Amino acid sequence: GDSVTQMEGPVTLSEEAFLTINCTYTATGYPSLFWYVQYPGEGLQLLLKATKADDKGSNKGFEATYRKETTSFHLEKGSVQVSDSAVYFCALSEGGSQGNLIFGKGTKLSVKP
Amino acid sequence: GAVVSQHPSWVICKSGTSVKIECRSLDFQATTMFWYRQFPKQSLMLMATSNEGSKATYEQGVEKDKFLINHASLTLSTLTVTSAHPEDSSFYICSAGPLRETQYFGPGTRLLVL
Repeated sequence: GDSVTQMEGPVTLSEEAFLTINCTYTATGYPSLFWYVQYPGEGLQLLLKATKADDKGSNKGFEATYRKETTSFHLEKGSVQVSDSAVYFCALSEGGSQGNLIFGKGTKLSVKP
Repeated sequence: GAVVSQHPSWVICKSGTSVKIECRSLDFQATTMFWYRQFPKQSLMLMATSNEGSKATYEQGVEKDKFLINHASLTLSTLTVTSAHPEDSSFYICSAGPLRETQYFGPGTRLLVL
């Protein structure tokens, strides 16, 4: 079945450092790919998404490119801030729906001042 | 933006009792809501799809008699954990959206069964 594998955390960075959180997927069809963020004490929020190969999703300085050849959707940000400290989840969904999401295990990011 | 609420945010109960968790969409109607379960340091696992006015669709391995889902209105879905046992202790999260393509997550309900 479909699955998502993302790098295990926790990840600790200094402010203004470059961030990469790796995410790879296995899917039988052509899934949509998502990154969700969960700030402490809050629910999951959609950070960005891409619905087809070579699409780049971006939001709040974060980017991820849908790479079909490597089945990857790595999350990157050029300069992290303390306020980016959260848990990040990679997810996929078949057919473009955000329902029936399959999540990775989540990566906790801590950014130190 | 759209808001999805859950109640209660946390609950402690004795083994053998039943617990009801509510998921509400506050500013939109949702014909479909989704229930997830999250174990510590693990990913969210989809439990079931809640359909307004009809039976829920459960994922493989989820006991429908254990986790009762009722979607009685376009803004409310409830998950009842029946005869809860310690192994049911977990973090339960719902999502809802005006469209299946756009989902908003509730803040979650932490259940501890003693």
